[in-house]
Amino acid sequence: KQEVTQIPAALSVPEGENLVLNCSFTDSAIYNLQWFRQDPGKGLTSLLLIQSSQREQTSGRLNASLDKSSGRSTLYIAASQPGDSATYLCAARNTGNQFYFGTGTSLTVIP
Amino acid sequence: NAGVTQTPKFQVLKTGQSMTLQCAQDMNHNSMYWYRQDPGMGLRLIYYSASEGTTDKGEVPNGYNVSRLNKREFSLRLESAAPSQTSVYFCATSRRGGYEQFFGPGTRLTVL
Repeated sequence: KQEVTQIPAALSVPEGENLVLNCSFTDSAIYNLQWFRQDPGKGLTSLLLIQSSQREQTSGRLNASLDKSSGRSTLYIAASQPGDSATYLCAARNTGNQFYFGTGTSLTVIP
Repeated sequence: NAGVTQTPKFQVLKTGQSMTLQCAQDMNHNSMYWYRQDPGMGLRLIYYSASEGTTDKGEVPNGYNVSRLNKREFSLRLESAAPSQTSVYFCATSRRGGYEQFFGPGTRLTVL
């Protein structure tokens, strides 16, 4: 079974800082990996999906990378803003239709 | 377009009661999923439906049943609720199985 880990569990940064969120997975035979944002009391919002054949995916100030051989994905957020404060979750998919989720990193951007 | 909708938003049950959580999507997606989210556990897949007419167990199916009523609707039923089923339940959809997932707003369920 795929195990997905996100460390740290919580992170605080001052506004304007560039930051990296980490996602590790145990089984490198993944098909794709998806990053989500979750605001308190809300559902998950899809940010980026990286296919196993890709190394990077970008959307605005967000850039996600995937290194299957090392079992890692990172989400880079440029020029952080208070509105970026949320919990960020990653989910990895192997064979079949199941995504396995990490427990998330809670990000606080301090004005 | 509403995307993925879930009803109810909140529910309190007593142990042993039954209820059905409803999920509907207008994204014309083939695959639908039910997850539960518990503190410190992350999201865990309960059941999924790769396409209309099919359902499969996920990681934590015990105590739940599902029905894929049509392409748009996927319901989750608790036949005899237990306190361990207190959780936030999310429905998600994807164009096909394993593709990018889109989530509903969730149902917060408390079983006393």
